[in-house]
Amino acid sequence: GAVVSQHPSRVICKSGTSVKIECRSLDFQATTMFWYRQFPKQSLMLMATSNEGSKATYEQGVEKDKFLINHASLTLSTLTVTSAHPEDSSFYICSAGTEPYSNQPQHFGDGTRLSIL
Amino acid sequence: KQEVTQIPAALSVPEGENLVLNCSFTDSAIYNLQWFRQDPGKGLTSLLLIQSSQREQTSGRLNASLDKSSGRSTLYIAASQPGDSATYLCAVGAQKLVFGQGTRLTINP
Repeated sequence: GAVVSQHPSRVICKSGTSVKIECRSLDFQATTMFWYRQFPKQSLMLMATSNEGSKATYEQGVEKDKFLINHASLTLSTLTVTSAHPEDSSFYICSAGTEPYSNQPQHFGDGTRLSIL
Repeated sequence: KQEVTQIPAALSVPEGENLVLNCSFTDSAIYNLQWFRQDPGKGLTSLLLIQSSQREQTSGRLNASLDKSSGRSTLYIAASQPGDSATYLCAVGAQKLVFGQGTRLTINP
């Protein structure tokens, strides 16, 4: 079945570092990918919609200059957390679907645990 | 604004029991409703997807129902096993999903 690969699975870095997270669709083309954030014992909150070849759409309250999204190809979207601070520590998960408003389930990556010291 | 609520937040039962997890949503104009499983520190695995025109879906020991008029869905797990221990999340939407906070399920051997 369809698989979404997310890398790295865990990052620990110092405050002020920028961190890039990759999300790849391995066996299908994803025109749209989604980035979610999950705090401990809380649910997933949508951060932004990544559109291939165009600008990402950010949810209300998400800083676009803080969380840079690039979707340069049909199989790769990247999320860069710029100048990360301890409050950015969280679990970040991407998902991808094959087409808009499909009745097929979305496929999720395994997530990236980001810890900022 | 769509809001999704899951009750209970945590559930612990002995192995072999049948159990029901609940999910409610405030806006009945949904496209799909999905149930996911999340193991600690891991991503999400899709269990069942119910389209808005459907009433239920079944996969193995899992059965999910959908009642749009009342804004509710249930996930029924039959003959529970320790391997079913995980957090179960429901989500509504087409591609932009709104998630509940999950039910942390523990099946005791």
